[in-house]
Amino acid sequence: SQKIEQNSEALNIQEGKTATLTCNYTNYSPAYLQWYRQDPGRGPVFLLLIRENEKEKRKERLKVTFDTTLKQSLFHITASQPADSATYLCALGSNSGYALNFGKGTSLLVTP
Amino acid sequence: EPEVTQTPSHQVTQMGQEVILRCVPISNHLYFYWYRQILGQKVEFLVSFYNNEISEKSEIFDDQFSVERPDGSNFTLKIRSTKLEDSAMYFCASSESPTGSNQPQHFGDGTRLSIL
Repeated sequence: SQKIEQNSEALNIQEGKTATLTCNYTNYSPAYLQWYRQDPGRGPVFLLLIRENEKEKRKERLKVTFDTTLKQSLFHITASQPADSATYLCALGSNSGYALNFGKGTSLLVTP
Repeated sequence: EPEVTQTPSHQVTQMGQEVILRCVPISNHLYFYWYRQILGQKVEFLVSFYNNEISEKSEIFDDQFSVERPDGSNFTLKIRSTKLEDSAMYFCASSESPTGSNQPQHFGDGTRLSIL
């Protein structure tokens, strides 16, 4: 069955450092991968989308990579700030469907 | 910035009762979705809706569930004869074009459904 795995343990980093979150998947050939941020009690908020033929995407302090051979995406937040503290979700989708298939998310805590 | 709005924010219902969750998607969006998130678990796809019909549904979306766009602005999820395991946060989302294009899905802040 399709599986999406994100670091189950919370990631604690110091302000100013780079946070790196991992998303691994098995039994899946996604056409694209999206990253969302979710704050407690709120809905997911879209951050970045990367397609299967793209290796890297950047947006301000965010960078995502997509390695279809390793079946892995890495999500980086550079110069992290306490306001970046949240749960980050990766979500995979295919061109033949409408659904997003989410991972369970990784909780990030940035301390001053 | 336009947003997806959901009402109510919290719904408490007795087991066996019917419940309707309401959503107002972003006005120029054409694709609508419902997801749920059981406490401590991942966000799970339920159904997508386009051009007044279901375009895709998951195994979770059985005969107990139905969706409707009763007018030009609202999008509803009805759960008939609720069960304890239906307790979850239900998210509505919308997108301008199909998922997979460079358009993201925009989520509301959810309705927390508690079945007693």
